[in-house]
Amino acid sequence: AQSVSQHNHHVILSEAASLELGCNYSYGGTVNLFWYVQYPGQHLQLLLKYFSGDPLVKGIKGFEAEFIKSKFSFNLRKPSVQWSDTAEYFCAVIPTLSGTYKYIFGTGTRLKVLA
Amino acid sequence: ETGVTQSPTHLIKTRGQQVTLRCSSQSGHNTVSWYQQALGQGPQFIFQYYREEENGRGNFPPRFSGLQFPNYSSELNVNALELDDSALYLCASSQQTSSYNEQFFGPGTRLTVL
Repeated sequence: AQSVSQHNHHVILSEAASLELGCNYSYGGTVNLFWYVQYPGQHLQLLLKYFSGDPLVKGIKGFEAEFIKSKFSFNLRKPSVQWSDTAEYFCAVIPTLSGTYKYIFGTGTRLKVLA
Repeated sequence: ETGVTQSPTHLIKTRGQQVTLRCSSQSGHNTVSWYQQALGQGPQFIFQYYREEENGRGNFPPRFSGLQFPNYSSELNVNALELDDSALYLCASSQQTSSYNEQFFGPGTRLTVL
C-alpha cells in the first residue's frame, strides 16, 4: 500500500538552529511531492511542492526540500529556524497515475522552537 | 478571493446519530476533496468530487457519503456515527482534478462523538 513516513514525530530546537525533517514514501511510480505546515489555530498551508526538474525546491519562509528519487525521500530543511516556525509539518505525495488525485499524508512532525 | 470555508466549526453528536458537514470551495475551483484527521495522525483521504461526480474514494465505509452542488460547494454526510468518527474533517478545493493542482484547505470541522 502507498504510504508516507515521517520519522520525527516531535522536534524541539532553539532559535537559529538548523532543521531537517525526514519524509519517505513507498510508491514505485512517479509522484508529486508536497510539504504543508499547520500553525497553531490555523489551517494547512502549502510550504513547497515538487513536480519535476531541479530536485532542490525552495518554498516560502526560507524552507527548502530535496527530492532524492533513489531513496524515495523528500526531506524538508531550513538553515536557521525562528520561534514563529513552531507548527506541525506534514509531508504529502500524490501518485501521478493513481487516477484519483488524493494526497497521501504522513503522520506529521510537531516542531517547537524555543526562543 | 475567498478561501475555503467550512461549517460548522465544532460539532458534538452521540453514537448512532447522523451529521452533515459543509464546505464552500475557493472561487474558480471545481474539485473538492474531504479528509479525516484523527488526533495525532495525518489527514486521511475520504473522497473527492469533481463537477458534481465522485472521483475516487478512500478506505471509508459507505456510511460516509457526499455531494457536490452546481456552485461546487460540497457536503460530507456521516450516518450511524461511531466513537472513532471523532476527528477534524478537512475540506480542500482545487482548480481541477489533477496531481499538479495544489489543494487549498479549509479550517476544518471538529466532530466529537460521545
